[in-house]
Amino acid sequence: GAVVSQHPSRVICKSGTSVKIECRSLDFQATTMFWYRQFPKQSLMLMATSNEGSKATYEQGVEKDKFLINHASLTLSTLTVTSAHPEDSSFYICSAQRQVHGTEAFFGQGTRLTVV
Amino acid sequence: DAKTTQPNSMESNEEEPVHLPCNHSTISGTDYIHWYRQLPSQGPEYVIHGLTSNVNNRMASLAIAEDRKSSTLILHRATLRDAAVYYCILWMRTSGSRLTFGEGTQLTVNP
Repeated sequence: GAVVSQHPSRVICKSGTSVKIECRSLDFQATTMFWYRQFPKQSLMLMATSNEGSKATYEQGVEKDKFLINHASLTLSTLTVTSAHPEDSSFYICSAQRQVHGTEAFFGQGTRLTVV
Repeated sequence: DAKTTQPNSMESNEEEPVHLPCNHSTISGTDYIHWYRQLPSQGPEYVIHGLTSNVNNRMASLAIAEDRKSSTLILHRATLRDAAVYYCILWMRTSGSRLTFGEGTQLTVNP
């Protein structure tokens, strides 16, 4: 089946630095990918929709200048957390799906970000 | 967004069937019903989806009510590896393929 690969699986960074997370669609071309954030004991919260070749669409309350999304190819989307703060520590998850309405979404294994 | 309602938690015994309910009373005709599950510290995993008819796959069965306002995910023989949070989500044509996660049901499987 289709696979979405996310890298790194965990990262620790210092406050004020930036961290890049990659999301790759291995089996199919994904013109749209999605980025979620999940805090402990909570559900996934959609942050933004990554569109290949165009600007990402951010959900209300998500700072686009802090969470930079680049979808430069049909198989790769990146999320960069800029000037990270301890409150950005979270589990970040990407997903992709084929361009057929209703079909299943495939999720990356997630990235555990810890900002110290 | 059309919402779904699930019990916060359920318990089952190993090798027994599990029926996980989901209410979606505001579902529209083109909304698909999707189920995903998430194990600790992992991304969600697709389980099954359907539109109107009941569906079966190697993981589970999905029973959809005739009026489509509710559905039930059926795990035929629960194993310890089935312990996870199960999310019932409506995939809406109007949402541009965005999936909105609710709180899900935490399934505990007792040995």
